[in-house]
Amino acid sequence: GAGVSQSPRYKVAKRGQDVALRCDPISGHVSLFWYQQALGQGPEFLTYFQNEAQLDKSGLPSDRFFAERPEGSVSTLKIQRTQQEDSAVYLCASSQDRVSYEQYFGPGTRLTVT
Amino acid sequence: DQQVKQNSPSLSVQEGRISILNCDYTNSMFDYFLWYKKYPAEGPTFLISISSIKDKNEDGRFTVFLNKSAKHLSLHIVPSQPGDSAVYFCAARPTGGTSYGKLTFGQGTILTVHP
Repeated sequence: GAGVSQSPRYKVAKRGQDVALRCDPISGHVSLFWYQQALGQGPEFLTYFQNEAQLDKSGLPSDRFFAERPEGSVSTLKIQRTQQEDSAVYLCASSQDRVSYEQYFGPGTRLTVT
Repeated sequence: DQQVKQNSPSLSVQEGRISILNCDYTNSMFDYFLWYKKYPAEGPTFLISISSIKDKNEDGRFTVFLNKSAKHLSLHIVPSQPGDSAVYFCAARPTGGTSYGKLTFGQGTILTVHP
């Protein structure tokens, strides 16, 4: 079956531009996570959805970051007025339900802000 | 503060020998631990996990050991193969209460297995 997919795979943005990153989770997966991975570091939690409800956004670095999952499947992470420090790989993961331990990751979107 | 630490940025091992990757954590609320493997330009893939009620979990060539009193876990790969060359991330999560599975990752260890 299809895994988690993300698009675009690579995005170059000029400082100040807005970007939108898309995540298609595994069909039927209830939980969806966004992580940010800086170069040479491990992924860091950004936000969590259970179905369409955003239950935790404590990891979002600033109010320029916004995520949504309006129908409980596809999710979009939006970054407004991008800054150079936003350059990173953005990973999306999904899991079957709230208590499932295993998260399945997508390939990530590499964002470069110039 | 880094709640999950992998203090070795890299490890080089000969094919057929044992690879040992280490991970330390500070948050005593963590009670489920996972290892992920990551190839370049791909997302992390789940490898093996362990609950805090166990001290060992084995899956083929991969074994994870947990020492709760020391807040330390390790991943053993025996025998190591060139295809095991990747970045390995240790991750931890709390269970119970309002937890929903948010993972805290270490910085990763680059494993290189030489033929």
